[in-house]
This record gives sequence, structure tokens and C-alpha cells, in this order.
Amino acid sequence: KAGVTQTPRYLIKTRGQQVTLSCSPISGHRSVSWYQQTPGQGLQFLFEYFSETQRNKGNFPGRFSGRQFSNSRSEMNVSTLELGDSALYLCASSEGGPSSGANVLTFGAGSRLTVL
Amino acid sequence: AQKITQTQPGMFVQEKEAVTLDCTYDTSDPSYGLFWYKQPSSGEMIFLIYQGSYDQQNATEGRYSLNFQKARKSANLVISASQLGDSAMYFCAMREGAAGGTSYGKLTFGQGTILTVHP
Repeated sequence: KAGVTQTPRYLIKTRGQQVTLSCSPISGHRSVSWYQQTPGQGLQFLFEYFSETQRNKGNFPGRFSGRQFSNSRSEMNVSTLELGDSALYLCASSEGGPSSGANVLTFGAGSRLTVL
Repeated sequence: AQKITQTQPGMFVQEKEAVTLDCTYDTSDPSYGLFWYKQPSSGEMIFLIYQGSYDQQNATEGRYSLNFQKARKSANLVISASQLGDSAMYFCAMREGAAGGTSYGKLTFGQGTILTVHP
């Protein structure tokens, strides 16, 4: 089956602008998580959505927001972009329901954002 | 405090040899899961192996095995018979709480180890 699809793959913005990134999870997966990856801070958890509800949120300012639609697709938005927001943004999906298994996260290829 | 520590910024291994990538973790939650992911230069994170805190045996997946020492809080990845395609960044990650709990998608990652396989 198709993997996790993230769009766009690359984008360049200027400070003060806003950006919206999209993530289509694996069919049947109800949980979508977002991560920011930078050389300095590594991989950091942004937030997780499950059945259109935000379940967890990382330690990021309110400029970072997200949502999930009824078909489990998710978007994240960053407003008033800063230079430090330049990063690879990774989306991951998982089944997310109660289970005794690993509930492995499957990641997309990422959206690389450059803020000038 | 760092929850996941990977002390090897870079590792080198000869093709066909085995290599161990170190990972130590810190948690007070009795229920947790440990993951290893591989990230090639393309950027996509590829799941390799999982170990649950209550699993009695070390996890294995093909050429990957996890040396899980619960008392020492370590979860080292062993790659046997290294291949050139194994050259990548490797991340250890932890989920605290049961997989069926409310933290499905929240993993804490280590800083990663860059593995280079020489021919």
C-alpha cells in the first residue's frame, strides 16, 4: 500500500510569511505525528493528531499549529516564520488505536523548509 | 536530562563485518518501547526494529538485532554483515507509556549516529 506522502517536498519562504505543510497517512492509519529536524536540535516532536483531535503537543510556540481531517490527512501551519524555523518537517502515521503491539510510526520523506 | 543518549557521533565499519550502535535511555515509566530508525541522505526515516519493555527476548529483524539490557537501560543495535547501503544516520527513539496508551505518536529521539560502511 502507499506510504506516507508529504507535500511539498521543498519550499522557500521569507521571514514573516506563513507556511502550510500537508501529510497523507497510510490508508487505515488514524494517528499522524509531526516532527521538526534541525542539525542543532535534532528530531523534536511537534504534535500528534488522532481522529481529528490533538492528542499530544511538544514544546513549540503557538506559531506552530496543526489539524487533522476526517480522512486522517493532516496539515501543519507555521505562522510568522523565523530563520530558525528552517528545518526538515517529518510526518509519521501509525494505527494509533489500543493495541499490544509496537504501533510503529511510518515516516514520510519530509518537507524541507528554508526561511530566508 | 537526556532521555535518549547516543554517544557515538560517527562509526565506521568494513563491509560484511558486524557493528554495534549504542543507545542508553532514561525513564521512570515501567512501560515503554524502544525503536531504531535509519535515515539515509534522502531524509526518510526507515523503521528497523522495536523492543518493548516487557519483551523477554531481544528483538531481531533480519540482519538487525537489539541487545536489550533493561537493568543498564541500554538498547544497542547490532547490524550483522554490513552492506554499503547501510551507510546512513541511525536514530534510537523511545515511547514512554504503553503502545495502546495516549502517546501513540510521541517518540523521543537521540542525536543519532552516522554509520559509514567501507568497501
